[in-house]
Amino acid sequence: QVDLQESGPGLVKPSETLSLTCVVSGYSISSAYYWGWMRQPPGKGLEWIGSIFHSGTTYYNPSLKSRVSISLDTSKNQFSLKLSSVTAADTAVYYCAGQTSAAVYWFDPWGQGILVTVSS
Amino acid sequence: DIQMTQSPSSVSASVGDRVTITCRATQGITSWLAWYQQRPGKAPKLLIKAALSLQSGVPSRFSGSGSGTDFTLTISNLQPEDFATYYCQQANSFPLTFGGGTKVEIK
Repeated sequence: QVDLQESGPGLVKPSETLSLTCVVSGYSISSAYYWGWMRQPPGKGLEWIGSIFHSGTTYYNPSLKSRVSISLDTSKNQFSLKLSSVTAADTAVYYCAGQTSAAVYWFDPWGQGILVTVSS
Repeated sequence: DIQMTQSPSSVSASVGDRVTITCRATQGITSWLAWYQQRPGKAPKLLIKAALSLQSGVPSRFSGSGSGTDFTLTISNLQPEDFATYYCQQANSFPLTFGGGTKVEIK
């Protein structure tokens, strides 16, 4: 069974960089089709942040592209998200997710999510 | 970018009811559409992929239909555990986009 677990600080100061890691267990990260990050502000809907393919190719949400970076660490079987210059608008639950079984762009499985609050 | 519009934004229903949620794309996405269920405080769960294919383990009371720009999620014989928020997602091209969500509430 594939399991994803997000980790990182739950509180980030404005203008700093948000850094999260998604540890994958039960599956080799380099074997999956691709991985991704989504977020959900409190009480609002889902927003796709970006995705990374097993080749290392990345795609980002144009609204965040100048501030976001996603990378793979195959040695640790994890992938990471960095979002720079955060503001209160970046406060959200952040989810990591993957697509392990086919060359398609929906997500299954998902991590449980981690709440990140941007505040001084 | 492809925008996804869901309707209604919320619906009140009773156990045993049939509920229909629609999702419309601003351009054709053939069958590259997924539906997710999200219960409060939980991560989204994939229900339907490729517009009409039920994900493994999902009850058969859930069904999807549509292609091109117009899609439907139907829940037949609504059960207590189905009260949740449902999202569609286009999987045709980047940037990936989600619908705004439909909250299914208890009447």
